Amino acid sequence: EVQLVESGGGVVRPGGSLRLTCAASGFTFDDYGMSWVRQVPGKGLEWVSGINWNGGSASYADSVKGRFTISRDNAKNSLYLQMNSLRAEDTALYYCASFPIVGPVWKYYFDYWGQGALVTVSS
Amino acid sequence: QSALTQPASVSGSPGQSITISCTGTSSDVGSFNRVSWYQKHPGKAPNLMIYEGTKRPSGVSNRFSGSKSGNTASLTISGLQAEDEADYYCCSYAGSATWIFGGGTKLTVL
Repeated sequence: EVQLVESGGGVVRPGGSLRLTCAASGFTFDDYGMSWVRQVPGKGLEWVSGINWNGGSASYADSVKGRFTISRDNAKNSLYLQMNSLRAEDTALYYCASFPIVGPVWKYYFDYWGQGALVTVSS
Repeated sequence: QSALTQPASVSGSPGQSITISCTGTSSDVGSFNRVSWYQKHPGKAPNLMIYEGTKRPSGVSNRFSGSKSGNTASLTISGLQAEDEADYYCCSYAGSATWIFGGGTKLTVL
């Protein structure tokens, strides 16, 4: 059974830092690119960041560029999101999601999702 | 980059069909055949319903179908059932390894 389990969420003050972890199981982790997608309570989904299968390429939404860093450890089947200089508007439920990579070809859809980790930025 | 445009809400009676539109630009929806649709029930993770514009993952009912014309993609649900009541999000690849989601549409089954 495929599982993505996020952890590391919590309450942090504006300007603070937090690191999210997504533990993957039930599939071949390095056959997939990974992304973080967030949902502000009561609002829609927002793509945050993505990384290719080996961590050699990463991308970010403009709203988090320069503050967030995505990384992965294939030996531990884990995805990470280091969040620095947090703002109130970063308060959201953060999901990790996978997208298939078939050979050199990326598949641009998210097939597996975790249940999310809640990040609250508040003074 | 602004979110893709979806209607805030749609509704239909059991057995009817509804269509949810998703309008982007020539830089995202119009450029790539890489639109996906997600169903999201409250408190649950999103669930992939359509990928690459028209394809259904294994296990998704054939009552769900996708299409695209120009900069607008659409999700059609036929034979509405009570369990289809949920939020629906479109998503498009936007180039340079980035994605963009729609604002979401709340489907109410009357």
